[in-house]
Amino acid sequence: ETGVTQTPRHLVMGMTNKKSLKCEQHLGHNAMYWYKQSAKKPLELMFVYNFKEQTENNSVPSRFSPECPNSSHLFLHLHTLQPEDSALYLCASSQDSGISREQFFGPGTRLTVL
Amino acid sequence: SQQGEEDPQALSIQEGENATMNCSYKTSINNLQWYRQNSGRGLVHLILIRSNEREKHSGRLRVTLDTSKKSSSLLITASRAADTASYFCATVMDEVTDKLIFGTGTRLQVFP
Repeated sequence: ETGVTQTPRHLVMGMTNKKSLKCEQHLGHNAMYWYKQSAKKPLELMFVYNFKEQTENNSVPSRFSPECPNSSHLFLHLHTLQPEDSALYLCASSQDSGISREQFFGPGTRLTVL
Repeated sequence: SQQGEEDPQALSIQEGENATMNCSYKTSINNLQWYRQNSGRGLVHLILIRSNEREKHSGRLRVTLDTSKKSSSLLITASRAADTASYFCATVMDEVTDKLIFGTGTRLQVFP
């Protein structure tokens, strides 16, 4: 275990549903990340939070809405998604967002949008 | 883009053999990291090599970095079936663009 947990592990939702992904880290880190991993594509960074402040939004559509209430928790709120949003969503954390920091990943949420 | 490209895309070997994976990138970097991912799971950090380093070792892993060729290699010696996974390189350019940019990965299969 890496100290980063994600729930749910699997999620199937319709295009009109609203759901949320949850990430929690038990490492005392101050930076948290959301990534999207689609088949045969590189891992895509979506959002970065450093000390609870969003420092990166990588041109992500507004149907994905992140929330970071504290340094240990990160949410990704989903609404009116498209089938092409089906992917593995990975959360990661690091001590801070410094450039030499290794990132610790959660197991991911496998999302299927019908 | 800065995206790393791993080569080969897939590699199959027998237990006990060595596995070598390569990564190429396009612009100057501050550091390069290798990660491993078991099927459908999260990534695990393996090793970080800085731009002023040429080689690093960690257990059965050996990483080299050639900044003149903008390439890195990951060598796994005496491979085991448990090494079966996808391996990704990720680069960090500098303090300004401090994102990790991942490559597409090499899928390694080690047969017992």
